[in-house]
Amino acid sequence: EAQVTQNPRYLITVTGKKLTVTCSQNMNHEYMSWYRQDPGLGLRQIYYSMNVEVTDKGDVPEGYKVSRKEKRNFPLILESPSPNQTSLYFCASSPGTDIPTNEKLFFGSGTQLSVL
Amino acid sequence: AQSVTQLDSQVPVFEEAPVELRCNYSSSVSVYLFWYVQYPNQGLQLLLKYLSGSTLVESINGFEAEFNKSQTSFHLRKPSVHISDTAEYFCAVSEYNFNKFYFGSGTKLNVKP
Repeated sequence: EAQVTQNPRYLITVTGKKLTVTCSQNMNHEYMSWYRQDPGLGLRQIYYSMNVEVTDKGDVPEGYKVSRKEKRNFPLILESPSPNQTSLYFCASSPGTDIPTNEKLFFGSGTQLSVL
Repeated sequence: AQSVTQLDSQVPVFEEAPVELRCNYSSSVSVYLFWYVQYPNQGLQLLLKYLSGSTLVESINGFEAEFNKSQTSFHLRKPSVHISDTAEYFCAVSEYNFNKFYFGSGTKLNVKP
């Protein structure tokens, strides 16, 4: 089954304790991206990657890191989490950046992160 | 950067009534427009999109949206809603290279029996 898999589904941590949220897709997609969803703000893009070893900042990259060493994986790293990073996080992927294949994003089921 | 505005945070409506969910975006440059739907405890799913051509686009489950360049709007409509349409709907905009997507704050559609 074609899917984007995020882990964990729920995560509670404390301020300053490094964590990684994993994202994997089995569709051989070139493009992957991370979003955070906050009430009243919708989804905001954190980072995106157009291909292996190619990443760029979205609108809210502060406090986050990403890496794209393999095509299928795009982990989100919080080196020193803070309470304002408590949010619902979504990973998404799409086939590529050439029109028209990149117009549809496939989303994971989300990771609810709470930083105490 | 783009700005996407969904003025209605919640829309309650009775089953079989028509509904319109409003979306306005900020840029006058060429953009691509999307509506995504999020059911409880799930990720977002593409509902419909406008890339080019006819300004009226339709989804397979009866929703439609019209691209209005002069008003920079992309409102979503359905002539008769079902209970199963209860979800949160997000309008999104992407510019020419599809690398960055800008989402609105979402509209929760609550269909009542």
